[in-house]
Amino acid sequence: DTGVSQNPRHKITKRGQNVTFRCDPISEHNRLYWYRQTLGQGPEFLTYFQNEAQLEKSRLLSDRFSAERPKGSFSTLEIQRTEQGDSAMYLCASSLYGTSSGELFFGEGSRLTVL
Amino acid sequence: AQTVTQSQPEMSVQEAETVTLSCTYDTSESDYYLFWYKQPPSRQMILVIRQEAYKQQNATENRFSVNFQKAAKSFSLKISDSQLGDAAMYFCAYRSDGGYQKVTFGTGTKLQVIP
Repeated sequence: DTGVSQNPRHKITKRGQNVTFRCDPISEHNRLYWYRQTLGQGPEFLTYFQNEAQLEKSRLLSDRFSAERPKGSFSTLEIQRTEQGDSAMYLCASSLYGTSSGELFFGEGSRLTVL
Repeated sequence: AQTVTQSQPEMSVQEAETVTLSCTYDTSESDYYLFWYKQPPSRQMILVIRQEAYKQQNATENRFSVNFQKAAKSFSLKISDSQLGDAAMYFCAYRSDGGYQKVTFGTGTKLQVIP
């Protein structure tokens, strides 16, 4: 297993368009997290899953954002009607729930630029 | 809700010297985990060190050690014998032991290592 994989790595879109990001976690990991990070800031929690169940979604997240993990494996994050304020790095991380460590393993991120 | 505060946006250290990064957190829980993550420029975030709140002994990983003060809700990271490769953003993070176990990050400290 090569770790957490995110695609695309870079996405440039025009305001008002929809974008979708994909995350493939480490295969045995049952927890999957989405974070948003802007330049010079810490990761801001968006949502996370245990298997296919979405356990929590940030109240800061508008209804334009939706995430799925249909079979408890890969996940997608969709942003509808993008705005310039959505420009950021979108980070995916996975972990194995039930272990004492709780370490998050991060992907390299998907950078979104909204023109 | 738990919050994590890193009050030092930037720090610098001479190569081979020691530096301490500060972190405080706010929680009403008694059982939790604390982490320091490192994010090198344009690279993915990786775990540096982890501390379980129920353990009184401070965690150590080679040149990295923490000073965990549970009563003060303080969790600082000490880097000894600093190396050029230590230059990165460092994020302090908190995770509950029970419940949904969401991971909350601080805003980060940018560490510069001067040759």
